[in-house]
Amino acid sequence: GENVEQHPSTLSVQEGDSAVIKCTYSDSASNYFPWYKQELGKGPQLIIDIRSNVGEKKDQRIAVTLNKTAKHFSLHITETQPEDSAVYFCAASKRVNRDDKIIFGKGTRLHILP
Amino acid sequence: NAGVTQTPKFQVLKTGQSMTLQCAQDMNHNSMYWYRQDPGMGLRLIYYSASEGTTDKGEVPNGYNVSRLNKREFSLRLESAAPSQTSVYFCASSEQSVTEAFFGQGTRLTVV
Repeated sequence: GENVEQHPSTLSVQEGDSAVIKCTYSDSASNYFPWYKQELGKGPQLIIDIRSNVGEKKDQRIAVTLNKTAKHFSLHITETQPEDSAVYFCAASKRVNRDDKIIFGKGTRLHILP
Repeated sequence: NAGVTQTPKFQVLKTGQSMTLQCAQDMNHNSMYWYRQDPGMGLRLIYYSASEGTTDKGEVPNGYNVSRLNKREFSLRLESAAPSQTSVYFCASSEQSVTEAFFGQGTRLTVV
């Protein structure tokens, strides 16, 4: 089955600097790669996603890149702000008959330092 | 629009007791999921349901059962709770696995 590895587990960056979180996946049939942000005491919320027919996607300060050959994808946050402090999860999924799983990485705790 | 609603929010059980975690979504989604979240372990899939009437095991199904009662509701049952099942449980729903998933607020379960 699918396995998603996420690094680093903890990341501290100075406010205004960039943050990069990386994930690898094992199932070459996976074709949907979302990123979720979890704030304290809440459920995760989608912040950006990318499909396998696209190499890069941007939304303001957030971007995601996908390398299908190497089976890895990354989240880039530029000009970090205090409100970016949270836990971030990558995930991978495909839809094949009833195989409708979403498998998550172990998460990255991002600290934005003042 | 409530989204995904989980009950209860907190629960303490004694070892060996049983309980059912309830989840309901009002977005007419086909797929529903149960995850557990433990420190350093991320979100691990317990069971999922791709459509009404179907359920499948995820990564960590042992000790749990599920019921997809109808399209809206997906419950998770612990028949004989163990301390290893102490965790935060999240229910989620999506149109399909390849679209945005919406999560509930979570249930913090402690088994003593």
